Amino acid sequence: AQTVTQSQPEMSVQEAETVTLSCTYDTSESDYYLFWYKQPPSRQMILVIRQEAYKQQNATENRFSVNFQKAAKSFSLKISDSQLGDAAMYFCAYRAGNMLTFGGGTRLMVKP
Amino acid sequence: GAGVSQSPSNKVTEKGKDVELRCDPISGHTALYWYRQSLGQGLEFLIYFQGNSAPDKSGLPSDRFSAERTGGSVSTLTIQRTQQEDSAVYLCASSSTNRGYYGYTFGSGTRLTVV
Repeated sequence: AQTVTQSQPEMSVQEAETVTLSCTYDTSESDYYLFWYKQPPSRQMILVIRQEAYKQQNATENRFSVNFQKAAKSFSLKISDSQLGDAAMYFCAYRAGNMLTFGGGTRLMVKP
Repeated sequence: GAGVSQSPSNKVTEKGKDVELRCDPISGHTALYWYRQSLGQGLEFLIYFQGNSAPDKSGLPSDRFSAERTGGSVSTLTIQRTQQEDSAVYLCASSSTNRGYYGYTFGSGTRLTVV
């Protein structure tokens, strides 16, 4: 079974600074997809960024980028120029086929 | 619709009562998922529907939990004889399964409180 691990239950960052959230996963698949979701207090899960495993180039979406290390099965999220609105729970997720498996989440706090 | 709609937004029920939670997925999405999120925890898979195929029920925690999806669209998650440990946020998501590149689109969830 696939597992996704987020080793940082909480992280804190100063506004305008950069923070990296860690995620590792375990799989025997070669073709899969990785995602980061943001969950603000509204509970809605919002897709932040996604990465195809067959692509070596790291995905980037504005202030959000990933460091995908396939051999190490690592998929970290970097948030640059952190904003107060970035404060939320962040979930790493893995998908092979139709099933999306989530990590336990990291609560990000942004200090003004 | 434009997004995944869940109702009710919040539900308080007495222990032992049955509850029904509703999910209206994005039009055209063939896959529908239910997840449970306990306070401060990650998402726990419950059940998955894909088109007209038999659902994957492997995540249902007990036989008190059941779900159906009518006409390949709206889904109802039913919890019978609710227990306090059933208190959680129940999230529904839908997906186009044409390509795994696409993640899920989630609803805002139903917060269930069993008193």
